[in-house]
Amino acid sequence: TAGITQAPTSQILAAGRSMTLRCTQDMRHNAMYWYRQDLGLGLRLIHYSNTAGTTGKGEVPDGYSVSRANTDDFPLTLASAVPSQTSVYFCASSDGSGVAGELFFGEGSRLTVL
Amino acid sequence: GQNIDQPTEMTATEGAIVQINCTYQTSGFNGLFWYQQHAGEAPTFLSNNVLDGLEEKGRISSFLSRSKGYSYLLLKELQMKDSASYLCSYMDSNYQLIWGAGTKLIIKP
Repeated sequence: TAGITQAPTSQILAAGRSMTLRCTQDMRHNAMYWYRQDLGLGLRLIHYSNTAGTTGKGEVPDGYSVSRANTDDFPLTLASAVPSQTSVYFCASSDGSGVAGELFFGEGSRLTVL
Repeated sequence: GQNIDQPTEMTATEGAIVQINCTYQTSGFNGLFWYQQHAGEAPTFLSNNVLDGLEEKGRISSFLSRSKGYSYLLLKELQMKDSASYLCSYMDSNYQLIWGAGTKLIIKP
């Protein structure tokens, strides 16, 4: 199975432009997450969704929005990108029936905002 | 910032043992987790501790002391493929993971 698929793998974006990072999972996991990973910092949670139809704010939600219309898809949108949003973005999911805290990650999307 | 700390980088020799320490401070705690991340790849789950003590899975062991806010990851019989970053995280009172910055482990022949 594919697990979690993220797209695009990498992108260069002009400041002020909008961008949507796509995330799709085929494991039927209820919970999904978006993290950003920056050098010297731990993974930081942007937004999360415990189940389809619900979303919540993480540690660093400003400048980002998400939606969870169904179980499989969890897109992350940057409405007006800024250089500080240059980062590697990871989508993840978890299965409530498995080990709590065991997340399954996508391969990441490297975003550069100029 | 996050109240979780681990060394930035460690070096060890192939075939040896390495211990990576992690300390944390939190009022709400629901488990400690270790992930491995190879350069340019996604993190993958290694081990977790909910109660105090040692959890062993093959070459990998993880220890937790909740009273001391301390955990370590022990890797035995090191192989070159173990060169990676090791991420420590704890689950807070909201059941969200709080992550350390990771320890880059360099294995030398």
